[in-house]
Amino acid sequence: EAEVAQSPRYKITEKSQAVAFWCDPISGHATLYWYRQILGQGPELLVQFQDESVVDDSQLPKDRFSAERLKGVDSTLKIQPAELGDSAMYLCASSLGGKPGLAYEQFFGPGTRLTVL
Amino acid sequence: SQQGEEDPQALSIQEGENATMNCSYKTSINNLQWYRQNSGRGLVHLILIRSNEREKHSGRLRVTLDTSKKSSSLLITASRAADTASYFCATDAYSSASKIIFGSGTRLSIRP
Repeated sequence: EAEVAQSPRYKITEKSQAVAFWCDPISGHATLYWYRQILGQGPELLVQFQDESVVDDSQLPKDRFSAERLKGVDSTLKIQPAELGDSAMYLCASSLGGKPGLAYEQFFGPGTRLTVL
Repeated sequence: SQQGEEDPQALSIQEGENATMNCSYKTSINNLQWYRQNSGRGLVHLILIRSNEREKHSGRLRVTLDTSKKSSSLLITASRAADTASYFCATDAYSSASKIIFGSGTRLSIRP
């Protein structure tokens, strides 16, 4: 069964360092999402891609976070510099997407647990 | 910001009993989804119910939607130890069906 892949699974870094997360969505899925989940809370959308284009990054802290999906397939989320408050689970999800007004099931990867010291 | 809010925040029941979780939301929606998350893992989609539907079933799961009250419920019948997880409702932004907003979740524990 096809799955969303994420790496690394765990990342420990010191504040002010740069970190990067990678996501490979399910083949054929046009829409890719990056979420941040703080312990005990629901996931919060950071950025949504439709193919290679950003369709929503309203909650992305753009002074330190960046995301790209250059060929419309896999994606990278970067934080530079990392702050203590960035400690969280970073989840990637993908869905078929493409048709405005239709909702699609999202398939989630296992996540990357980030700890900033 | 989170549109959906689950109730209760935590629920502990005996194996075999039924578990009911509720979700309330603020603005009009096109659809509502329920997801499950095992500890430290990604989320798994359970069921999607559209705004013109009132009830949907999937195995031991039953979801209802009351758009007049802006609420939904998830019922898990004959609970099992493997149902122990956090359950989240997710509502779409009416202007954008592909973007969903998660609630804070209900943490369900099944006692053997």
